[in-house]
Amino acid sequence: GQQLNQSPQSMFIQEGEDVSMNCTSSSIFNTWLWYKQDPGEGPVLLIALYKAGELTSNGRLTAQFGITRKDSFLNISASIPSDVGIYFCAGRNSGGSNYKLTFGKGTLLTVNP
Amino acid sequence: NAGVTQTPKFQVLKTGQSMTLQCAQDMNHEYMSWYRQDPGMGLRLIHYSVGAGITDQGEVPNGYNVSRSTTEDFPLRLLSAAPSQTSVYFCASSRRGEAFFGQGTRLTVV
Repeated sequence: GQQLNQSPQSMFIQEGEDVSMNCTSSSIFNTWLWYKQDPGEGPVLLIALYKAGELTSNGRLTAQFGITRKDSFLNISASIPSDVGIYFCAGRNSGGSNYKLTFGKGTLLTVNP
Repeated sequence: NAGVTQTPKFQVLKTGQSMTLQCAQDMNHEYMSWYRQDPGMGLRLIHYSVGAGITDQGEVPNGYNVSRSTTEDFPLRLLSAAPSQTSVYFCASSRRGEAFFGQGTRLTVV
């Protein structure tokens, strides 16, 4: 089956630092999504990317759809304590009405105030 | 907006018991799916549906059944629970490939 390699597995940073995480795939995707999960909650969509090379921002978050369509990265600038959580990438390569997603295993982010 | 609603939030089952995890969405999305989340494993797709009356298997379907009689509801059934099914279960509905998740059901099988 398809695999998404998400790295790093975990990060421990100081408040105010910038963060970068990425996902790589063994196959091409036509959609990349980034989610954040808080403890005890379901994942919440942060950014959606639909075109190779696309760069999209959501506040302090910026994500890019890699040119090869096999990778994506997420940057968080000037981290704050509420950024703590698990960040997941997800990719879709099916067409039509089949929105099946493949998820990375997540990056656990800890922010030290 | 309620979005995606899952019940129950917590459940403890004995091995061999059956139960149904409920999922309902009010966004009129055609596509719905069930995932399980285990430590270090991310989210793995169990079953999905592209519309009422249509379901298909995902990555880890064994031990689970689904049906989709309406657009709104997509229940997940465990016919004979096993300890390996201890997990957190998430239901999602999707628009344009963007999945919206419920708050999850934490299931423990003893």
